[in-house]
Amino acid sequence: AQSVTQLDSQVPVFEEAPVELRCNYSSSVSVYLFWYVQYPNQGLQLLLKYLSGSTLVESINGFEAEFNKSQTSFHLRKPSVHISDTAEYFCAVIREGNFNKFYFGSGTKLNVKP
Amino acid sequence: DAGVTQSPTHLIKTRGQQVTLRCSPISGHKSVSWYQQVLGQGPQFIFQYYEKEERGRGNFPDRFSARQFPNYSSELNVNALLLGDSALYLCASATGWGKETQYFGPGTRLLVL
Repeated sequence: AQSVTQLDSQVPVFEEAPVELRCNYSSSVSVYLFWYVQYPNQGLQLLLKYLSGSTLVESINGFEAEFNKSQTSFHLRKPSVHISDTAEYFCAVIREGNFNKFYFGSGTKLNVKP
Repeated sequence: DAGVTQSPTHLIKTRGQQVTLRCSPISGHKSVSWYQQVLGQGPQFIFQYYEKEERGRGNFPDRFSARQFPNYSSELNVNALLLGDSALYLCASATGWGKETQYFGPGTRLLVL
């Protein structure tokens, strides 16, 4: 069975501090990985994705994530967060040969404090 | 270009009733997926439609059904509503299916009393 685990339900952090949001998955076949962000009262927006190639992927607003196959992880990092990064972040996977279904984690609420 | 639109934005129903939620994809997108997001949880996949055919179905009872129209818009129907159906229902569209980036609408918040 496919599962996505986001280990932290909430992450409080001060502005300009670094942050890591953790995501682990379980799958017996190859996967493709995504991070989505959800601001209050809005739908989900794609932040970044790993399909193939370099295992380090970056977003336009300073986030990055690294696909680690041996540790089955796809942690999201940012070296210096802003107040505007306060949102809920969801990790998602789709599985090779079963492209129809996106499996989402339970989400991590990032709360950036001034 | 307009993003994915969903209607209505909010809805209140009572147990046993039926509900229809609507989704218009981004122009040019042929794939529509539906998700249920219960408060405090991540979205759960319900259906995916591509070119008007069902391409995937999640672990939801037969009370949930959907269809896609020739203009690629979609409806999600839920019959015999239960209290547990209260959730945010998200629609996402994509140019194709599979590894394509999905673009999400703002959702329809359904409350079942």
